[in-house]
Amino acid sequence: EVHFVESGGGFVQPGGSLRLSCAASGFTFSGYAMSWVRQTPGKGLEWVSTFGGVGDTYYADSVKGRFTIFRDNSKSTLDLQMNSLRAEDTAVYFCARLFPPRSSIYFDFGGQGTVVTVSS
Amino acid sequence: EIVLTQSPATLSLSPGERATLSCRASQSVNNDLAWYQHKPGRAPRLLIFDASNRATGIPARFSGSGSGTDFTLTISSLEPEDFAVYYCQERTNLWTFGQGTKVEI
Repeated sequence: EVHFVESGGGFVQPGGSLRLSCAASGFTFSGYAMSWVRQTPGKGLEWVSTFGGVGDTYYADSVKGRFTIFRDNSKSTLDLQMNSLRAEDTAVYFCARLFPPRSSIYFDFGGQGTVVTVSS
Repeated sequence: EIVLTQSPATLSLSPGERATLSCRASQSVNNDLAWYQHKPGRAPRLLIFDASNRATGIPARFSGSGSGTDFTLTISSLEPEDFAVYYCQERTNLWTFGQGTKVEI
């Protein structure tokens, strides 16, 4: 069973930065693409970013140029560096595994998320 | 970019009743569509993938149908723990969620 522990959330002013981290267990981390998905109060679930199995990275238009995704297969961790934060980035951020490995279509969630609040 | 439109926004039902949730895609997604259940403070839970396949451990009262642009999630008889928000999701290019349907008592 996949298990994730997300951390690093907090309260930050607009324009500030945060780095989220996800510790994964229960599966062979290096064999899967990994993503961040957020739940915003008004908009529901929103895909944020994906780090593919071959080093490819993808970002939603809303965060492109501000967020950077990292992974460390040796530690089974996935990070999200968030810069130039805006009020609309306020959300609960979830880490997720993508499956099946060959097409990476669907999300396997397994953690409670970490809360990011951007406010002055 | 594909847009997923879910309806209705809110479904008010009682335990034991049947729930029918709709998800419409702006372009065909073939069968590459999933449904998730989400409760406050919990991780989203995958219910259905490939439009009609139940994920591991999902009760038989949950079923998915449809293909192309029109999909349905049916909960045959609502249990108290089924009251939650439900999302559909696809990946034709990048990953997209619908806006959700809240199933409330």
